[in-house]
Amino acid sequence: IAGITQAPTSQILAAGRRMTLRCTQDMRHNAMYWYRQDLGLGLRLIHYSNTAGTTGKGEVPDGYSVSRANTDDFPLTLASAVPSQTSVYFCASSAAGGNTGELFFGEGSRLTVL
Amino acid sequence: GQNIDQPTEMTATEGAIVQINCTYQTSGFNGLFWYQQHAGEAPTFLSYNVLDGLEEKGRFSSFLSRSKGYSYLLLKELQMKDSASYLCAVTGDDYKLSFGAGTTVTVRA
Repeated sequence: IAGITQAPTSQILAAGRRMTLRCTQDMRHNAMYWYRQDLGLGLRLIHYSNTAGTTGKGEVPDGYSVSRANTDDFPLTLASAVPSQTSVYFCASSAAGGNTGELFFGEGSRLTVL
Repeated sequence: GQNIDQPTEMTATEGAIVQINCTYQTSGFNGLFWYQQHAGEAPTFLSYNVLDGLEEKGRFSSFLSRSKGYSYLLLKELQMKDSASYLCAVTGDDYKLSFGAGTTVTVRA
């Protein structure tokens, strides 16, 4: 059982470059989320999608964009990476939208922007 | 925004009990979660409280008092594998899950 798959696992990126983090789930969950995790700050919500075709902004959306063309995929794009976007990024999903259900997380993507 | 506070670090001895407190101030309330995260790994779900009281699940229990904006996670019969970060998270009336910074628990032999 794969659950949620994220790619790449780790990436070093030059500032100003465009980068897409991929996230795919095979649980047919309606809701998907992107979080970033930084030391001392915990997990912060970047963007979310309650169902295919819809997206919404989280706590820290600036510099990021998402799309939800189908149920399974929820890519996160950094249009022009900056060093402050160095972080560990987690994709998550839940059966129910609205954060009233258990979140299932991917293994994370560690991004370093130089 | 949401404000969720929990201690940064706690240390306990194998076989002991540790209680991790979490206080929150949110706009509305639609549930409180605890997650466990081992170093370098993804968070995994531990418990969910939406009503006041104690939820017990094996060695782990979680308590909620909505009127006090307070929860705790109780870990009993500590094992070395319990060394991890424990994340308190709350869903407010915007139905978005907000996380505390996490409490790192170190279990010593």
